[in-house]
Amino acid sequence: GESVGLHLPTLSVQEGDNSIINCAYSNSASDYFIWYKQESGKGPQFIIDIRSNMDKRQGQRVTVLLNKTVKHLSLQIAATQPGDSAVYFCAEGAEDGSGGGADGLTFGKGTHLIIQP
Amino acid sequence: GAVVSQHPSWVICKSGTSVKIECRSLDFQATTMFWYRQFPKQSLMLMATSNEGSKATYEQGVEKDKFLINHASLTLSTLTVTSAHPEDSSFYICSARASQLARGTNEQFFGPGTRLTVL
Repeated sequence: GESVGLHLPTLSVQEGDNSIINCAYSNSASDYFIWYKQESGKGPQFIIDIRSNMDKRQGQRVTVLLNKTVKHLSLQIAATQPGDSAVYFCAEGAEDGSGGGADGLTFGKGTHLIIQP
Repeated sequence: GAVVSQHPSWVICKSGTSVKIECRSLDFQATTMFWYRQFPKQSLMLMATSNEGSKATYEQGVEKDKFLINHASLTLSTLTVTSAHPEDSSFYICSARASQLARGTNEQFFGPGTRLTVL
Protein backbone atom coordinates (compact mmCIF):
# COMPACT_ATOMS: atom_id res chain seq x y z
CA GLY A 1 0.00 0.00 0.00
CA GLU A 2 0.99 3.61 -0.22
CA SER A 3 2.94 5.04 2.69
CA VAL A 4 4.81 8.00 3.94
CA GLY A 5 8.44 7.45 4.86
CA LEU A 6 11.49 9.28 6.09
CA HIS A 7 15.08 9.21 4.88
CA LEU A 8 16.85 9.37 8.27
CA PRO A 9 15.74 7.83 11.54
CA THR A 10 18.09 9.97 13.67
CA LEU A 11 19.42 13.47 13.13
CA SER A 12 21.99 15.03 15.43
CA VAL A 13 22.64 18.78 15.22
CA GLN A 14 24.53 21.37 17.20
CA GLU A 15 22.52 23.80 19.25
CA GLY A 16 22.03 26.97 17.23
CA ASP A 17 22.40 25.27 13.87
CA ASN A 18 19.57 24.76 11.43
CA SER A 19 17.90 21.35 11.17
CA ILE A 20 16.39 19.81 8.08
CA ILE A 21 14.15 16.79 8.39
CA ASN A 22 13.06 15.03 5.24
CA CYS A 23 10.07 12.94 4.29
CA ALA A 24 9.14 11.03 1.14
CA TYR A 25 5.53 10.30 0.38
CA SER A 26 3.92 8.12 -2.24
CA ASN A 27 0.24 9.07 -2.26
CA SER A 28 -0.08 11.69 -4.96
CA ALA A 29 -3.74 12.16 -4.02
CA SER A 30 -2.95 13.67 -0.62
CA ASP A 31 -4.43 17.12 -0.18
CA TYR A 32 -2.29 18.34 2.67
CA PHE A 33 0.73 17.50 4.77
CA ILE A 34 1.44 18.15 8.40
CA TRP A 35 4.53 18.03 10.55
CA TYR A 36 4.16 16.89 14.14
CA LYS A 37 6.56 16.89 17.06
CA GLN A 38 6.28 14.14 19.63
CA GLU A 39 8.09 14.15 22.94
CA SER A 40 8.57 10.93 24.85
CA GLY A 41 5.32 9.61 26.32
CA LYS A 42 3.21 12.39 24.87
CA GLY A 43 0.83 12.85 21.98
CA PRO A 44 1.87 14.55 18.73
CA GLN A 45 2.02 18.31 18.72
CA PHE A 46 1.14 20.26 15.58
CA ILE A 47 4.03 22.23 14.11
CA ILE A 48 3.05 23.37 10.65
CA ASP A 49 1.04 22.23 7.68
CA ILE A 50 0.93 22.81 3.96
CA ARG A 51 -1.66 22.20 1.31
CA SER A 52 -0.83 20.32 -1.86
CA ASN A 53 -1.25 23.44 -4.00
CA MET A 54 1.58 25.19 -2.17
CA ASP A 55 5.32 24.62 -2.25
CA LYS A 56 6.45 26.57 0.80
CA ARG A 57 5.04 27.77 4.06
CA GLN A 58 6.76 29.51 6.92
CA GLY A 59 6.00 29.63 10.59
CA GLN A 60 7.88 30.75 13.63
CA ARG A 61 11.41 29.30 13.21
CA VAL A 62 10.03 26.58 10.95
CA THR A 63 9.58 26.25 7.23
CA VAL A 64 7.94 23.43 5.33
CA LEU A 65 8.83 22.77 1.71
CA LEU A 66 6.80 20.58 -0.61
CA ASN A 67 8.13 19.22 -3.88
CA LYS A 68 5.31 17.37 -5.60
CA THR A 69 7.47 16.45 -8.59
CA VAL A 70 9.60 14.12 -6.50
CA LYS A 71 7.03 13.66 -3.72
CA HIS A 72 9.26 15.10 -1.07
CA LEU A 73 8.50 17.09 2.04
CA SER A 74 10.94 18.77 4.39
CA LEU A 75 10.85 20.59 7.69
CA GLN A 76 13.47 23.22 8.39
CA ILE A 77 14.00 24.38 11.94
CA ALA A 78 16.08 27.51 12.34
CA ALA A 79 18.47 28.05 15.25
CA THR A 80 17.75 24.70 16.84
CA GLN A 81 17.24 24.79 20.60
CA PRO A 82 17.44 22.03 23.25
CA GLY A 83 13.66 22.10 23.49
CA ASP A 84 13.46 20.99 19.88
CA SER A 85 14.69 17.52 20.82
CA ALA A 86 11.89 15.11 19.94
CA VAL A 87 10.69 12.74 17.28
CA TYR A 88 9.28 14.48 14.24
CA PHE A 89 6.64 12.90 12.04
CA CYS A 90 5.31 13.96 8.72
CA ALA A 91 1.74 13.02 8.02
CA GLU A 92 -0.46 13.23 4.98
CA GLY A 93 -4.17 13.51 4.64
CA ALA A 94 -6.89 13.75 2.08
CA GLU A 95 -10.24 15.40 2.15
CA ASP A 96 -13.16 13.11 1.55
CA GLY A 97 -14.38 15.04 -1.44
CA SER A 98 -17.86 15.56 -0.10
CA GLY A 99 -17.01 18.73 1.74
CA GLY A 100 -17.49 16.94 5.01
CA GLY A 101 -13.88 17.04 6.05
CA ALA A 102 -10.83 14.89 6.24
CA ASP A 103 -9.95 11.29 6.74
CA GLY A 104 -7.45 10.06 9.27
CA LEU A 105 -3.80 10.81 8.78
CA THR A 106 -1.08 8.55 7.43
CA PHE A 107 2.10 9.06 9.40
CA GLY A 108 5.69 8.61 8.35
CA LYS A 109 8.20 6.60 10.35
CA GLY A 110 9.60 9.49 12.33
CA THR A 111 12.98 11.15 12.77
CA HIS A 112 14.56 11.51 16.18
CA LEU A 113 16.14 14.94 16.40
CA ILE A 114 18.99 15.15 18.91
CA ILE A 115 20.42 18.50 19.92
CA GLN A 116 24.05 18.57 20.97
CA PRO A 117 25.22 21.39 23.24
CA GLY B 1 -6.12 26.49 21.84
CA ALA B 2 -8.09 23.30 21.39
CA VAL B 3 -7.43 20.73 24.10
CA VAL B 4 -8.02 17.01 23.93
CA SER B 5 -7.73 14.86 27.02
CA GLN B 6 -7.50 11.12 27.50
CA HIS B 7 -8.27 8.99 30.52
CA PRO B 8 -6.57 7.08 31.89
CA SER B 9 -3.05 8.14 31.01
CA TRP B 10 -1.85 4.65 31.71
CA VAL B 11 -3.42 1.33 32.62
CA ILE B 12 -2.18 -2.13 33.46
CA CYS B 13 -4.57 -5.03 33.14
CA LYS B 14 -4.61 -8.79 33.14
CA SER B 15 -4.92 -10.79 29.96
CA GLY B 16 -8.53 -11.46 29.06
CA THR B 17 -9.99 -8.37 30.67
CA SER B 18 -11.46 -5.33 28.89
CA VAL B 19 -10.18 -1.80 29.14
CA LYS B 20 -12.00 1.42 28.27
CA ILE B 21 -10.14 4.54 27.20
CA GLU B 22 -11.86 7.92 27.03
CA CYS B 23 -11.09 10.77 24.67
CA ARG B 24 -12.61 14.18 25.35
CA SER B 25 -12.49 17.48 23.53
CA LEU B 26 -12.48 20.00 26.35
CA ASP B 27 -13.23 23.30 24.69
CA PHE B 28 -14.70 22.48 21.32
CA GLN B 29 -17.12 20.11 19.70
CA ALA B 30 -15.54 17.31 17.73
CA THR B 31 -17.67 15.94 14.95
CA THR B 32 -14.96 13.45 14.12
CA MET B 33 -12.47 11.70 16.34
CA PHE B 34 -9.70 9.34 15.32
CA TRP B 35 -7.99 6.54 17.21
CA TYR B 36 -4.35 5.69 16.59
CA ARG B 37 -2.04 3.05 17.99
CA GLN B 38 1.69 3.48 18.41
CA PHE B 39 4.10 0.69 19.27
CA PRO B 40 7.49 1.56 20.81
CA LYS B 41 9.82 3.39 18.45
CA GLN B 42 7.27 3.20 15.69
CA SER B 43 4.91 5.60 14.02
CA LEU B 44 1.24 6.18 14.67
CA MET B 45 -1.13 3.89 12.84
CA LEU B 46 -4.73 4.88 12.28
CA MET B 47 -7.12 2.36 13.75
CA ALA B 48 -10.53 3.88 13.18
CA THR B 49 -12.52 7.01 12.48
CA SER B 50 -15.32 7.83 14.86
CA ASN B 51 -18.18 10.09 13.85
CA GLU B 52 -20.66 11.33 16.39
CA GLY B 53 -23.90 9.41 16.26
CA SER B 54 -22.79 6.83 13.72
CA LYS B 55 -20.75 3.66 13.56
CA ALA B 56 -17.00 3.90 13.48
CA THR B 57 -15.06 3.18 10.33
CA TYR B 58 -12.18 0.78 10.90
CA GLU B 59 -8.94 0.55 8.99
CA GLN B 60 -8.04 -2.66 7.25
CA GLY B 61 -6.71 -5.23 9.68
CA VAL B 62 -8.30 -3.68 12.77
CA GLU B 63 -10.88 -5.94 14.40
CA LYS B 64 -14.04 -3.97 15.11
CA ASP B 65 -15.28 -6.55 17.60
CA LYS B 66 -12.07 -6.29 19.57
CA PHE B 67 -11.72 -2.51 19.53
CA LEU B 68 -15.15 -1.12 20.30
CA ILE B 69 -15.60 2.57 19.60
CA ASN B 70 -18.45 4.70 20.84
CA HIS B 71 -18.81 8.37 19.93
CA ALA B 72 -21.95 9.18 21.89
CA SER B 73 -21.52 12.94 22.10
CA LEU B 74 -19.67 15.75 20.36
CA THR B 75 -17.08 15.84 23.13
CA LEU B 76 -16.52 12.19 23.99
CA SER B 77 -15.34 9.09 22.20
CA THR B 78 -14.41 5.84 23.92
CA LEU B 79 -12.25 2.95 22.81
CA THR B 80 -12.76 -0.37 24.56
CA VAL B 81 -10.13 -3.04 24.10
CA THR B 82 -12.01 -6.27 24.70
CA SER B 83 -10.35 -9.46 25.93
CA ALA B 84 -7.00 -7.75 25.95
CA HIS B 85 -3.84 -9.75 25.33
CA PRO B 86 -0.17 -8.84 25.74
CA GLU B 87 0.13 -8.05 22.03
CA ASP B 88 -2.44 -5.29 22.53
CA SER B 89 0.01 -3.47 24.77
CA SER B 90 0.62 -0.17 23.09
CA PHE B 91 0.25 3.60 23.25
CA TYR B 92 -3.25 4.56 22.17
CA ILE B 93 -3.73 8.13 20.99
CA CYS B 94 -6.91 9.87 19.98
CA SER B 95 -7.36 13.02 17.97
CA ALA B 96 -10.29 15.27 17.36
CA ARG B 97 -11.17 17.43 14.42
CA ALA B 98 -13.41 20.47 14.39
CA SER B 99 -13.51 22.28 11.13
CA GLN B 100 -14.32 25.62 12.71
CA LEU B 101 -11.02 25.54 14.52
CA ALA B 102 -8.87 24.28 11.70
CA ARG B 103 -6.09 26.59 10.65
CA GLY B 104 -6.78 26.48 6.98
CA THR B 105 -6.47 22.71 6.73
CA ASN B 106 -8.07 19.80 8.45
CA GLU B 107 -5.99 19.97 11.59
CA GLN B 108 -6.39 17.25 14.15
CA PHE B 109 -5.81 17.98 17.82
CA PHE B 110 -4.18 15.07 19.58
CA GLY B 111 -4.67 13.79 23.08
CA PRO B 112 -1.75 12.95 25.37
CA GLY B 113 -2.12 9.21 24.79
CA THR B 114 -2.90 6.22 27.00
CA ARG B 115 -0.25 3.63 27.74
CA LEU B 116 -1.85 0.16 27.92
CA THR B 117 0.11 -2.73 29.36
CA VAL B 118 -1.49 -6.17 29.32
CA LEU B 119 0.10 -8.74 31.59
